Amino acid sequence: GESVGLHLPTLSVQEGDNSIINCAYSNSASDYFIWYKQESGKGPQFIIDIRSNMDKRQGQRVTVLLNKTVKHLSLQIAATQPGDSAVYFCAENGAGDYKLSFGAGTTVTVRA
Amino acid sequence: NAGVMQNPRHLVRRRGQEARLRCSPMKGHSHVYWYRQLPEEGLKFMVYLQKENIIDESGMPKERFSAEFPKEGPSILRIQQVVRGDSAAYFCASSEKGRETQYFGPGTRLLVL
Repeated sequence: GESVGLHLPTLSVQEGDNSIINCAYSNSASDYFIWYKQESGKGPQFIIDIRSNMDKRQGQRVTVLLNKTVKHLSLQIAATQPGDSAVYFCAENGAGDYKLSFGAGTTVTVRA
Repeated sequence: NAGVMQNPRHLVRRRGQEARLRCSPMKGHSHVYWYRQLPEEGLKFMVYLQKENIIDESGMPKERFSAEFPKEGPSILRIQQVVRGDSAAYFCASSEKGRETQYFGPGTRLLVL
């Protein structure tokens, strides 16, 4: 079946280094992708989104890259900080669809 | 501008009781979505509503679960005759328009004893 998934369940990164979180999707009809950050006991927090007519989008300290050829999405966090420790989810909308399909999440732990 | 509000934040029910979860969308948002999250898992879509209409309930269990978004007041997710398997975090999200960015509330954590 079609799904959204993450390559690695956990990522440990040194404070100040850059983080890269990957996501694979299988629905070729997906045209909208979002990254969310979820801290323990809280709801998902919007980080950045990208539509399928773009390859790259930058925010504050974050960059999302979309490779439609291989159906791959990544989130890059520059100069990772302790407050970046959380579970990160990619989610996607299929064309004409309203619901988001979420991957299982990657747990990012920042080492001091 | 207040974000998405959900209450209660924590809810404990015994098997067979009813659970009512409330969601107030962000100001100006008329699209509401409910998701369920089991421990160590991602969120699973349940239902999408606009004011007074259920647009997509493809993720809702066929029995015991219902949702509404009345003209006035919050959206309600209702679970009748709860069972232990209903224990999860239930998140509501809202968007200004369909297929726009969905912003999530803090969730309601339901525990069924």
